[in-house]
Amino acid sequence: DTAVSQTPKYLVTQMGNDKSIKCEQNLGHDTMYWYKQDSKKFLKIMFSYNNKELIINETVPNRFSPKSPDKAHLNLHINSLELGDSAVYFCASSQGGDTGELFFGEGSRLTVL
Amino acid sequence: GESVGLHLPTLSVQEGDNSIINCAYSNSASDYFIWYKQESGKGPQFIIDIRSNMDKRQGQRVTVLLNKTVKHLSLQIAATQPGDSAVYFCAESPRNTDKLIFGTGTRLQVFP
Repeated sequence: DTAVSQTPKYLVTQMGNDKSIKCEQNLGHDTMYWYKQDSKKFLKIMFSYNNKELIINETVPNRFSPKSPDKAHLNLHINSLELGDSAVYFCASSQGGDTGELFFGEGSRLTVL
Repeated sequence: GESVGLHLPTLSVQEGDNSIINCAYSNSASDYFIWYKQESGKGPQFIIDIRSNMDKRQGQRVTVLLNKTVKHLSLQIAATQPGDSAVYFCAESPRNTDKLIFGTGTRLQVFP
């Protein structure tokens, strides 16, 4: 069973469109994250949710809206897509507390044309 | 094709040699550090972690060294194998946060 799964794996879309990426974890973790990895492989945190509550929002444009219907799911919706949104988006989860290890999904490669 | 990562620092080692990957972290308030390995087309995978009350920790074929004085972290891989080829990231977590801040990554290439 995949611990952290995200869909779709690949997404190609036009500028101006709205798209969503879904993430689910079956590890029973309380905390979930979205990270963005750019073309230079730099990984930057975007959001973090703990038990459905937003705890980290790293000055991401408000075109990006995370939604956590329950603690096992954290979806990412992006409005009015721009060329600079092209990247690989990684979902991750952790138990939090003293255990800081993050478990990552396989990534969703978004290409905006 | 993958054109990403062309500007990543790259370490090339011969199979069987030891590898040392270095990382400088920025936040003196960070008290937890992790090394991740990212293979092509996959998400980062945990390798080893260390807390700030330690200066060395060993795993299977890997050792992490922490020097808080100069804010430096290193990952040593013994007897490097082709399967070790990947991009390696160090990450730091500031005290009392659940945030993990990643470094820029180093590409490790293992040749026969």
